[in-house]
Order: sequence, then C-alpha cells, then structure tokens
Amino acid sequence: EAQVTQNPRYLITVTGKKLTVTCSQNMNHEYMSWYRQDPGLGLRQIYYSMNVEVTDKGDVPEGYKVSRKEKRNFPLILESPSPNQTSLYFCASSDRTGRSSNQPQHFGDGTRLSIL
Amino acid sequence: DQQVKQNSPSLSVQEGRISILNCDYTNSMFDYFLWYKKYPAEGPTFLISISSIKDKNEDGRFTVFLNKSAKHLSLHIVPSQPGDSAVYFCAASKYTGNQFYFGTGTSLTVIP
Repeated sequence: EAQVTQNPRYLITVTGKKLTVTCSQNMNHEYMSWYRQDPGLGLRQIYYSMNVEVTDKGDVPEGYKVSRKEKRNFPLILESPSPNQTSLYFCASSDRTGRSSNQPQHFGDGTRLSIL
Repeated sequence: DQQVKQNSPSLSVQEGRISILNCDYTNSMFDYFLWYKKYPAEGPTFLISISSIKDKNEDGRFTVFLNKSAKHLSLHIVPSQPGDSAVYFCAASKYTGNQFYFGTGTSLTVIP
C-alpha cells in the first residue's frame, strides 16, 4: 500500500530536549516536504527536499532542521524545541517526474507535538 | 503574510445541494492550484487540481473554477453527501515551483 509514515504520532516533551520526527515513504518519490498546521494559519511549509542531499527552506524554517540521506526518509529535527513549536506536523511526498513538474502530494497522518 | 486565503472558516449545506468553497490568492506568479480534503486524525488527501491555462476542471462531483483576473478559485461539490463533511484546504504554487502555500481551511458540514 502506497503510504507516508510518520513517527511518533503523538509526543509530549519539554523545552530544549532534542527530538526527531521520522518520515518514510514507499512510493519512490523524489519530492518530500514538512508542514505544520496551526489554528487560523492553515498549513505552512517548513522545509522541502527535491531529492537526496537536496533540501531547501519553506515558509517557516526557523528552529527546524532536516536531512535527506536516503530517498525514502526525510526526518524533521528540532534541536532545541520551544513551546511555540507545539503544533500538528505533516510530512508529504510527491512524484516530480513526468511532463508536469508539479504533482499532488501524499500526506502522512500527522504528528502532534506538545512542547512544555 | 497569507498568500492564499479561505475567508469562510465553516460552511453547512443540506445533503443533495451544492457546496461552494472559495479561495483567494495574492501572488500573481501562482499558476497551479489544488484542493485537499482532510478528515480528523488523518492527513490531507488530494481532491482536484487546476493549472492556470484552464478555467475549469471537473472530476465527478467535484469541479474547480479558476478566475485569474480576480485571483479567485472555487470548488463546487454537486450533489453534496454526508461523507463530504471535512476540512477543505486550497493550495497554490508555481507550476514548476517547489513551494506550496495553503489556505486556512474551510470546514464543510453536509447535513443529512
């Protein structure tokens, strides 16, 4: 089954304690991305990756890091989490091949992070 | 600054009637638009898209209309069904771009 898998689904942690949210896709997609969803703000893009070892900032990258060492994995790293990073996070992937560069994204089911 | 706006946080419609969800954008460089549907505790799922070379795209009960001069798009669902009750997000990007901009979502309730 084609899917984007995020772990953990829920996490409560404390300010300053490094954490990593993993994301894995089994569709051989080149493009992967992270979003956060906040009330009244919708989904905002944090980082995206066009392919292995190619990453770039989205709209709200401050306080986050990513890496893309393998095509299927795109972890989101919070080196020193703060309460304003409490949010619902989504990972997504899409195919970038073919006639159109843009293809719809497939989303994971989300990770709810609470930073106390 | 929000480049994609959905000004109606919620909408209620009777089953069988038409649902119209609206979206406005400010960046004239956007030329690819998508609608996603989201159920609670799940990620958004793709519904329908349109590129700026078209003004209408249809897929079954779902039709998206694009008015480039007004920088406005709308999603029509006909007929509406209770299973359509969800939050709908519109999104925009450049057709060859890598960044996506989402609206704040509209929560649709279809009343049986």
